[in-house]
Amino acid sequence: DAKTTQPTSMDCAEGRAANLPCNHSTISGNEYVYWYRQIHSQGPQYIIHGLKNNETNEMASLIITEDRKSSTLILPHATLRDTAVYYCIVRASGTYKYIFGTGTRLKVLA
Amino acid sequence: DGGITQSPKYLFRKEGQNVTLSCEQNLNHDAMYWYRQDPGQGLRLIYYSQIVNDFQKGDIAEGYSVSREKKESFPLTVTSAQKNPTAFYLCASSIFGAGGNSPLHFGNGTRLTVT
Repeated sequence: DAKTTQPTSMDCAEGRAANLPCNHSTISGNEYVYWYRQIHSQGPQYIIHGLKNNETNEMASLIITEDRKSSTLILPHATLRDTAVYYCIVRASGTYKYIFGTGTRLKVLA
Repeated sequence: DGGITQSPKYLFRKEGQNVTLSCEQNLNHDAMYWYRQDPGQGLRLIYYSQIVNDFQKGDIAEGYSVSREKKESFPLTVTSAQKNPTAFYLCASSIFGAGGNSPLHFGNGTRLTVT
């Protein structure tokens, strides 16, 4: 099963881009990378996912390196409401088992 | 609105009692999941079910049981054998198939306290 590694915490100034890195060096060729965020005492919220191409939606952009061993979630203009724990996960190959790590606690500063 | 409903939001039980947490979804998703979260920690998978009448153990299944008699329902029973049951429990669902890339959708959780 692929595992992910993320920094424990990061700070970002309000209005600036927040770049959250994730390492998934053992990812298999058919495994997707997913990003979620969790605000205290709520269920995680889906943000974006991708396989090998960069992806963008109304919430964020996902940049995946060519070797697929790492990715970066970009929140282009962080607001105070983006303060949350961000999880980078991959799905275990051949199953529907999604493995979560401990995530990155992002604090957006006014 | 489609979504996942977990009830109740807060649950209190005495040690030694079994307790069942409810999870219902109206998204017509095939797969459902139960995760456990402890303070300051990430999510750990308890059980998951890809189709009705079938489920698999996750990483921490000991002391828990599930059933999947209907597509929309996946109740979790925390038994008295679970040594540390106090935690935040999250239910999720996803579409089965479709190339296997469908994201998880989560409920808002049940916080169980056992004393």
